[in-house]
Amino acid sequence: KNQVEQSPQSLIILEGKNCTLQCNYTVSPFSNLRWYKQDTGRGPVSLTIMTFSENTKSNGRYTATLDADTKQSSLHITASQLSDSASYICVVTGRDTGNQFYFGTGTSLTVIP
Amino acid sequence: DGGITQSPKYLFRKEGQNVTLSCEQNLNHDAMYWYRQDPGQGLRLIYYSQIVNDFQKGDIAEGYSVSREKKESFPLTVTSAQKNPTAFYLCASSIVWAGELFFGEGSRLTVL
Repeated sequence: KNQVEQSPQSLIILEGKNCTLQCNYTVSPFSNLRWYKQDTGRGPVSLTIMTFSENTKSNGRYTATLDADTKQSSLHITASQLSDSASYICVVTGRDTGNQFYFGTGTSLTVIP
Repeated sequence: DGGITQSPKYLFRKEGQNVTLSCEQNLNHDAMYWYRQDPGQGLRLIYYSQIVNDFQKGDIAEGYSVSREKKESFPLTVTSAQKNPTAFYLCASSIVWAGELFFGEGSRLTVL
């Protein structure tokens, strides 16, 4: 069964600290993996997209990694800011059923001063 | 500015009433999608449309209906047949099917 699991479910960190969010997937065959940021009560916004051949991609203070062999991805946030408080959603696109999207349940991050 | 506009932002409905959520995009995207988001669950696909005048059921289409008469518009009707309609609804679009998703700001429906 194609699934996307994220951990931790929630996380609280101090402003200025770094953190890493995890995404494990069983989707196969794999097309690409995206990380989205969703502020409370808003729509998700894309942070990064990674294809099979990419290991690392950065977007400002956000760095995503992908290990296609172990089917794991991580999102590392450096020098966290209060505005990073949001839910982070991992989305995997599979090739098997017409490029269907598979969504994780998200990690809720709270950055406190 | 290009983007996706959903309306209304908040909607209250009495049981037994149908309601329609609006979704308009000016990104010239071919594909449009409706998702439902509930606490602790990933986004679930209700309906999608890859091209004008064509749409397909997603994983949880029962109790919902859509139309795609114009490329820019993809309204969702939540009918009285939907047993648990209280949720956050997200509309999205992509240039082509399974391309990068661009989301609207969402509509929160509460059934009283």
